Amino acid sequence: NAGVMQNPRHLVRRRGQEARLRCSPMKGHSHVYWYRQLPEEGLKFMVYLQKENIIDESGMPKERFSAEFPKEGPSILRIQQVVRGDSAAYFCASSPLAGSETQYFGPGTRLLVL
Amino acid sequence: TQLLEQSPQFLSIQEGENLTVYCNSSSVFSSLQWYRQEPGEGPVLLVTVVTGGEVKKLKRLTFQFGDARKDSSLHITAAQPGDTGLYLCAGAMEYGNKLVFGAGTILRVKS
Repeated sequence: NAGVMQNPRHLVRRRGQEARLRCSPMKGHSHVYWYRQLPEEGLKFMVYLQKENIIDESGMPKERFSAEFPKEGPSILRIQQVVRGDSAAYFCASSPLAGSETQYFGPGTRLLVL
Repeated sequence: TQLLEQSPQFLSIQEGENLTVYCNSSSVFSSLQWYRQEPGEGPVLLVTVVTGGEVKKLKRLTFQFGDARKDSSLHITAAQPGDTGLYLCAGAMEYGNKLVFGAGTILRVKS
């Protein structure tokens, strides 16, 4: 009974490179959420997706960040031309139903931009 | 401005003591969840409270949701060193699914 899976667990990129973070939701879950945890700060919502649809991206920076959740395969959070301020822990959560009150989190991807 | 104010920020107590962590907001939440996070890991769900005035117990942990669904508390009885960790409250907004998190409470229980 696998939980939410994220990979890689740690990612190091140089400024200007691209970062791709992957999330596989729990079995039977079709709703995925991405959150970011900056050093010394709490978790902040980024984007909410269902299969092939972005439902709410109000927390996503307007530039360089994008997310998708294709019909097949994991959800991807993509950060283009990374900067040092992108260094953070990125968490994915999933829920089984729209409006479900409970979200289950993955172990996170720690992104370090040099 | 933090939408969900969590206090205290840090708590260091002796084994066997009791403690309470608070989450307060001026906003109404459809539900509130409590998580515990270990270093290098993701938040692990402890409980979800949905109904105003609801009280849930999980062994030595007691969770309460305020009558107006604007605040919540976590009470730990007879704390143990294994309770050490970061405790997070998170509220689900009425109109959407995204969670708003408190800043967290770092609990350290000394033996």
